[in-house]
Amino acid sequence: DIVMTQSPDSLAVSLGERATINCRSSQSVLYRSNNKNYLAWYQQKPGQPPRLLFYWASIRESGVPDRFSGSGSGTDFTLTISSLQAEDVAVYYCQQYYDTPYTFGRGTNLEIK
Amino acid sequence: QVQLQESGPGLVKPSETLSLTCTVSGASISSYYWSWIRQTPGKGLEWIGFIDNKGNTLYNPSLKSRVTISRDTSTSQFSLTLRSVTAPDTALYYCAKGSDWNAGGFESWGRGTLVIVSS
Repeated sequence: DIVMTQSPDSLAVSLGERATINCRSSQSVLYRSNNKNYLAWYQQKPGQPPRLLFYWASIRESGVPDRFSGSGSGTDFTLTISSLQAEDVAVYYCQQYYDTPYTFGRGTNLEIK
Repeated sequence: QVQLQESGPGLVKPSETLSLTCTVSGASISSYYWSWIRQTPGKGLEWIGFIDNKGNTLYNPSLKSRVTISRDTSTSQFSLTLRSVTAPDTALYYCAKGSDWNAGGFESWGRGTLVIVSS
């Protein structure tokens, strides 16, 4: 299985400041034939299911604010929130769909400082 | 807009069988891939398996010996059966729709149903 490792486990950021979450896969999730990274990011708020934020590592899902961005390639990926808003408090997960079984990171708990 | 709704018993006894159903509206289950995913505090999010647009299935090897996913296109439902459950199978179970761009990208989720394994 591809192991997804997120860091940090928890993060506290002041409102309006930048938040950065990292994700590393145990093997590359870049499929060279199409040059796509099979990596998604999700946001989960309490009592809700995960919500898809990004796919192909950097393609923003419809409705996701542009303060969110996804980047990276191969085995190292980053989710960035450029200016943290109160409604961004959530747990964020990365997930690979390069190979089955699909696997998720353990999540990063983002809070307001 | 696609909507998914899980249903089934919230309490299952050890060694018995867990059965859940996902009812889909807004999309045909004869299209796309449809997955079951569970979430626990200990293991986080775990993909259980999917059923594809043709009715073929693929399971997580960690659960493969105990899992069956099936569908009923006439009722727009797909189901999860997990046999011989034990306490570690206690989890919040989600059904989810694979995206247009990849079966493993989950663009729509149900709200989840909590299943507790206990005598």
